[in-house]
Amino acid sequence: SAVISQKPSRDICQRGTSLTIQCQVDSQVTMMFWYRQQPGQSLTLIATANQGSEATYESGFVIDKFPISRPNLTFSTLTVSNMSPEDSSIYLCSVAGVFGTEAFFGQGTRLTVV
Amino acid sequence: AQSVTQPDIHITVSEGASLELRCNYSYGATPYLFWYVQSPGQGLQLLLKYFSGDTLVQGIKGFEAEFKRSQSSFNLRKPSVHWSDAAEYFCAVVKSNFGNEKLTFGTGTRLTIIP
Repeated sequence: SAVISQKPSRDICQRGTSLTIQCQVDSQVTMMFWYRQQPGQSLTLIATANQGSEATYESGFVIDKFPISRPNLTFSTLTVSNMSPEDSSIYLCSVAGVFGTEAFFGQGTRLTVV
Repeated sequence: AQSVTQPDIHITVSEGASLELRCNYSYGATPYLFWYVQSPGQGLQLLLKYFSGDTLVQGIKGFEAEFKRSQSSFNLRKPSVHWSDAAEYFCAVVKSNFGNEKLTFGTGTRLTIIP
């Protein structure tokens, strides 16, 4: 199994500012995924991050709002830009297991925008 | 497109009672199926998974799930719940592709345990 560390675990931010969330994995992985979980809701995939290429965004999510970096096979960042209260959510980093057999998740970043 | 339905938003059971959480999926072929648990303030933990073979799969914490192709279901069960099982449970499905674990989640079922 993969161990995933996310930082920060939580933050309270002012509207209009940006927050960068870091995701560190203890092994090399091909793809990393970023999910959003709005209050009381299920998880929605934001984007898939492949090392060395542009992230692939799901419908409803754009790079200007959620820029992603993937500089190597163990690390990724997600930035939530120009935040508004509607961005208050839990953001989770995920990676696939060996042979793509399952997904592992970080503890999540609980973001509150005031 | 694949989808997952968890018809029960909230379930309350007494400690020691049995539990069944429902999950139905929509997909043209047999997908990979998962159950995850999210305790308050925590990330997601994998309870169990089904890929192929025996349709009754055992997971951690005494949970099991049964895949029924004819009903497109993958219900989660536990014979006797403990207070620590109170959490949010998510069923998920993926059209498996090597190294491309793009999960589709159900809306979740919140489990409350009463003494």
